[in-house]
Parts: sequence; structure tokens; C-alpha cells
Amino acid sequence: SAVISQKPSRDICQRGTSLTIQCQVDSQVTMMFWYRQQPGQSLTLIATANQGSEATYESGFVIDKFPISRPNLTFSTLTVSNMSPEDSSIYLCSVEGWEGQFFGPGTRLTVL
Amino acid sequence: AQKVTQAQTEISVVEKEDVTLDCVYETRDTTYYLFWYKQPPSGELVFLIRRNSFDEQNEISGRYSWNFQKSTSSFNFTITASQVVDSAVYFCALSVGNDYKLSFGAGTTVTVRA
Repeated sequence: SAVISQKPSRDICQRGTSLTIQCQVDSQVTMMFWYRQQPGQSLTLIATANQGSEATYESGFVIDKFPISRPNLTFSTLTVSNMSPEDSSIYLCSVEGWEGQFFGPGTRLTVL
Repeated sequence: AQKVTQAQTEISVVEKEDVTLDCVYETRDTTYYLFWYKQPPSGELVFLIRRNSFDEQNEISGRYSWNFQKSTSSFNFTITASQVVDSAVYFCALSVGNDYKLSFGAGTTVTVRA
């Protein structure tokens, strides 16, 4: 399975600021995904990031709020913009491998 | 639209008991994949299994086993002889076709008491 790392692992931010989360994979992958897990909740897909094209966002998520970059086949970033306390969540990236879909360790974000 | 239902919110058992987690899914597609993940208190999401819609064989991996029944749209997960380290939230998930997007159930919190 792919080895996936995320930076930062956690952060505490002030409302109105932005945070960029990085996701690095140890092998080339076509599709990368970004999910959000709000406190005590399940996971919800934010967007699909393909290299060389704009990310595809799910209903309820917009590019202005969650801009995504995918500069190559091993890396992606998710920015949480103009944060509010409601953005406090765990953000996870994932990749599809030949045997399943695997997740990074997550970024635990707290917005004050 | 796809939907995954995990009706059990919490399950508490004593060590060495067996525990079965229910997962019911909805999709109109004939090609789909079902997943189970474990999320221990540390927060990482651990992949346990992926099963495609054309393979109804049950799977056993150590103390874990999975029962896939298309007739009832269910993909249940059993932990045999549970241990304290099995305490976690378990998620069932579904992806359809080749888009690999996962729809998650609400999760079941399993607590194993010593």
C-alpha cells in the first residue's frame, strides 16, 4: 500500500485566516481525494484532485473556500480559507491503490 | 445516489466476546466496491478490506471476518474473540463504478472492556 504523509499534523488557527495542508505520497497516483471529518462525525468527500486539471468539488464545497493544487502525481495541497470555528475538523487525503483506498494520518484543525 | 447505513451507533462488549457490525448499502449500480475501515482513538483511518460487487465470497483474516450478501445489500463485519485493542470506530464505505469516491456510513463505536 502507498505511504501517505500530511503536514501539519495539527494546528490551531484564528478565525479569518487560511491554512494550507500538504499531502505527499510515496508513489505516483492518478487520483487523490480530500475528506473532512467534523468532530464526532463520519467522513465527507470534499473534492477529487487529478494532476493537470482542476479539482472536482462535491456538493456543498466550493473552490473559493477550499482551493486545491495538484502539481504532480505525488503531491497535493488543500487550503482552508477564511476559517471559522465551523471549519474545525480533521482533514484527510487519500489515494486509490490496486488493493484499496488508503488515507493519510490526517490534519487536526482547530479554529478559535 | 449511494447510501451506507450503519444502524448500530455504539457496541460495548467484554473481552473475548464476538461482535458483529452491520452495514447496509444502497446503490443502483451493478459495479461497486465495499470497504471497512478502523479508526482507533489516535485518529488514523486504517484500511481493513475492499470487496467488489462481483465477489460474494466471505472473507476471513485472522479474527476478522466479513459476510457479503447482495440479496440483502449487506456487508457485515465480525470480530471474533474481541480484544481491548479492537476498541475503535469502524466505518463501512461504498464506491461506485470507477470514480473511487467513498460514501461513508455514520460509523459504529466499539468498546471492548477488559
